[in-house]
Amino acid sequence: AQSVSQHNHHVILSEAASLELGCNYSYGGTVNLFWYVQYPGQHLQLLLKYFSGDPLVKGIKGFEAEFIKSKFSFNLRKPSVQWSDTAEYFCAVITDSWGKLQFGAGTQVVVTP
Amino acid sequence: NAGVTQTPKFRVLKTGQSMTLLCAQDMNHEYMYWYRQDPGMGLRLIHYSVGEGTTAKGEVPDGYNVSRLKKQNFLLGLESAAPSQTSVYFCASSPRPQGANEQFFGPGTRLTVL
Repeated sequence: AQSVSQHNHHVILSEAASLELGCNYSYGGTVNLFWYVQYPGQHLQLLLKYFSGDPLVKGIKGFEAEFIKSKFSFNLRKPSVQWSDTAEYFCAVITDSWGKLQFGAGTQVVVTP
Repeated sequence: NAGVTQTPKFRVLKTGQSMTLLCAQDMNHEYMYWYRQDPGMGLRLIHYSVGEGTTAKGEVPDGYNVSRLKKQNFLLGLESAAPSQTSVYFCASSPRPQGANEQFFGPGTRLTVL
């Protein structure tokens, strides 16, 4: 069965530090990849997505992600985090034509002032 | 546009009670989905619909039923609630998944089953 793994469950870092969240998936065919963010008490919002083309994808709020097909990875990065980036981050994959999202377990990120 | 809305926002049930969660979208999307979110498990797909009058099972369908009588509405029913169904439920919608289409999520319903 396909799966999505997020390596870190909790990350604590200081403002201005760099952030990298790992995401690996297990599926050998064509995939569509997403990172969603959930701020405290809010619903999921799309940060960025990869469907095809340039494997380096830029999203909102200074986030970017790189699709490395050979490593089945789609890691999320931000060079300098802010306190407002405190949230839970979910990697997700679509592997079929019905658009069903398969989510990773999520990474809780806490940014301290 | 309101986007995706969910009713109710919160609910407490006793074991064995029934309830229906309503999801509505005003974006004329074909596809709609119901997920549940549990700590440490991300979101898991319960049921989905690829159009009015059609539904299909997702990853964790047991104990739930759905209906899509109108294109804009997707109902999730619990016939006999169990404590294991305590969760946050999210509805999502999207245009046809082909191409660079994303899912748009509602604000969630927090359900507690005692």
